[in-house]
Amino acid sequence: DVKVTQSSRYLVKRTGEKVFLECVQDMDHENMFWYRQDPGLGLRLIYFSYDVKMKEKGDIPEGYSVSREKKERFSLILESASTNQTSMYLCASSSPDAGEGTEAFFGQGTRLTVV
Amino acid sequence: AQSVTQLDSQVPVFEEAPVELRCNYSSSVSVYLFWYVQYPNQGLQLLLKYLSGSTLVESINGFEAEFNKSQTSFHLRKPSVHISDTAEYFCAVSDQWGNDYKLSFGAGTTVTVRA
Repeated sequence: DVKVTQSSRYLVKRTGEKVFLECVQDMDHENMFWYRQDPGLGLRLIYFSYDVKMKEKGDIPEGYSVSREKKERFSLILESASTNQTSMYLCASSSPDAGEGTEAFFGQGTRLTVV
Repeated sequence: AQSVTQLDSQVPVFEEAPVELRCNYSSSVSVYLFWYVQYPNQGLQLLLKYLSGSTLVESINGFEAEFNKSQTSFHLRKPSVHISDTAEYFCAVSDQWGNDYKLSFGAGTTVTVRA
């Protein structure tokens, strides 16, 4: 089974802290994604990466950055956490092969609270 | 970029009653469509997908969805729900980015099944 693992289920950080959210997948997928999930807004794409050291902005990249040094690992970085970044963060991976239907596989999520 | 509209944010339903969750997407030449389910305190799981071929697709737990190109819709139905179907359901559409794809999600529909 495909497994996408996020390093923390719950995280509490203080305003202004630098926060790292880690995600690892074991299916050798080229594509990886970070979403945030908020009630009534669904999932919004923050950043995605289609290859090592490559990154692209999604719909809401402000206040975030990412790092992809290895194929299996995709990190989301909050440079200076703010209370409006309190949310559920979901990592996903997929293969670029359209024959697989571009299905995305998701991690369990990290619920981040910024106080 | 694609946009996805889920017309109902909350759907309460009694056990063994039918349910329909509505999803419309912005038009595109070709499209892949997905329904994901999120059970409480879990990540997203793929429920079913439409890639091509038959416009009616089914999941292993009794859900079905019908792709309607003329109405740009992909509504999800189940003829008889169980308590265990209580979850949040997300409609998603693939969005081609270069040679790769990324998913755009609707805001989600919360289904609450009551005895």
